Amino acid sequence: AQKVTQAQTEISVVEKEDVTLDCVYETRDTTYYLFWYKQPPSGELVFLIRRNSFDEQNEISGRYSWNFQKSTSSFNFTITASQVVDSAVYFCALIGSGYSTLTFGKGTMLLVSP
Amino acid sequence: DGGITQSPKYLFRKEGQNVTLSCEQNLNHDAMYWYRQDPGQGLRLIYYSQIVNDFQKGDIAEGYSVSREKKESFPLTVTSAQKNPTAFYLCASSNRGHQPQHFGDGTRLSIL
Repeated sequence: AQKVTQAQTEISVVEKEDVTLDCVYETRDTTYYLFWYKQPPSGELVFLIRRNSFDEQNEISGRYSWNFQKSTSSFNFTITASQVVDSAVYFCALIGSGYSTLTFGKGTMLLVSP
Repeated sequence: DGGITQSPKYLFRKEGQNVTLSCEQNLNHDAMYWYRQDPGQGLRLIYYSQIVNDFQKGDIAEGYSVSREKKESFPLTVTSAQKNPTAFYLCASSNRGHQPQHFGDGTRLSIL
């Protein structure tokens, strides 16, 4: 079975603060893929990143960075110098090589105030 | 521009009525998916299709039906058997091989 846990239901920060969204996963597959999606108030899910289980390098894209640690089954997402436009619900998702469908976490709502 | 189009954006259903949500993609993706999202909840998979004329049930298929007659289209019917249809419905598509799914803007369904 696959499982994704996003323990933080809601996080509130003030603009320019750094914030980390946690994601812990469970899978028996040795090959798997992890994803992060952003859902702004408009509702559409926007793909942010895909990481495969063999690539443990951290990824940085502008103000976004991702820390993948197989030892702790975690794939955490950090936003540096947060902005109001970062306010959204963020979903972590997992698919193992033996599966055809994604398993999503329940999401973390990030509120960035000016 | 390539993308996924869902229509309508808002839909109201009367008791005992079937309603159909449209999903069209021009990304040439093989796989298509329907999800249901309730407030404060994650996404739950209703149905998915990996190839034309074939589809599989997801976690919450009861009360829903789909068809996949064309690669570009994957309509979802919410039947009268679905007793609690009020939710936000998202359609997605992807290439094969565990590639990222791309999502439409969603349809918000309510009961009159």
